[in-house]
Amino acid sequence: QQQVKQSPQSLIVQKGGISIINCAYENTAFDYFPWYQQFPGKGPALLIAIRPDVSEKKEGRFTISFNKSAKQFSLHIMDSQPGDSATYFCAARGTSGSARQLTFGSGTQLTVLP
Amino acid sequence: EAGVTQFPSHSVIEKGQTVTLRCDPISGHDNLYWYRRVMGKEIKFLLHFVKESKQDESGMPNNRFLAERTGGTYSTLKVQPAELEDSGVYFCASSPFRDRSNYGYTFGSGTRLTVV
Repeated sequence: QQQVKQSPQSLIVQKGGISIINCAYENTAFDYFPWYQQFPGKGPALLIAIRPDVSEKKEGRFTISFNKSAKQFSLHIMDSQPGDSATYFCAARGTSGSARQLTFGSGTQLTVLP
Repeated sequence: EAGVTQFPSHSVIEKGQTVTLRCDPISGHDNLYWYRRVMGKEIKFLLHFVKESKQDESGMPNNRFLAERTGGTYSTLKVQPAELEDSGVYFCASSPFRDRSNYGYTFGSGTRLTVV
């Protein structure tokens, strides 16, 4: 049973466009929602993260939108650049029990065309 | 500061053989984690060490997998005997002892294991 569902599996965007990746979770014990960016041959690297007490967090061109009632969160990449081409993973973590460890989505392969 | 180092970067072994993966965490990081990504699916948690002690091994798939962390430094993950479904990318991550923000949580580049 996948606790964090991520879509789409792949995404192609033109340079300058907006990339949107969506995630949904089931476990209400999750209280921390990071996004990771992974380039080929590298490990996942923390990109941006949010806690459920806010509905939006922005860092540069990257924004997380969070909807606690719907148990959904999304990553928006504004003015997408070819250098943003990578695999993006959403994740979730709580503080107790089975939620203590990071639970990842299945990843989105983003390609930004020049 | 050196990052999390994993080796080998790639390993191809035959079904039934034994493989040992190694992870060197960032110096001073008490927490060490193993994760696995199989066939383009989600990255799944395997286990968590705090120093040399196994804190949580709930994600270990079966008793063919054995993880150790010698003296609270580097860690090894042994698969014996390897099966076809063990193929995937094995990631190691480390973090400082109290890291609620996750910003200290650093992943290695992974070991791609192929069992043929």
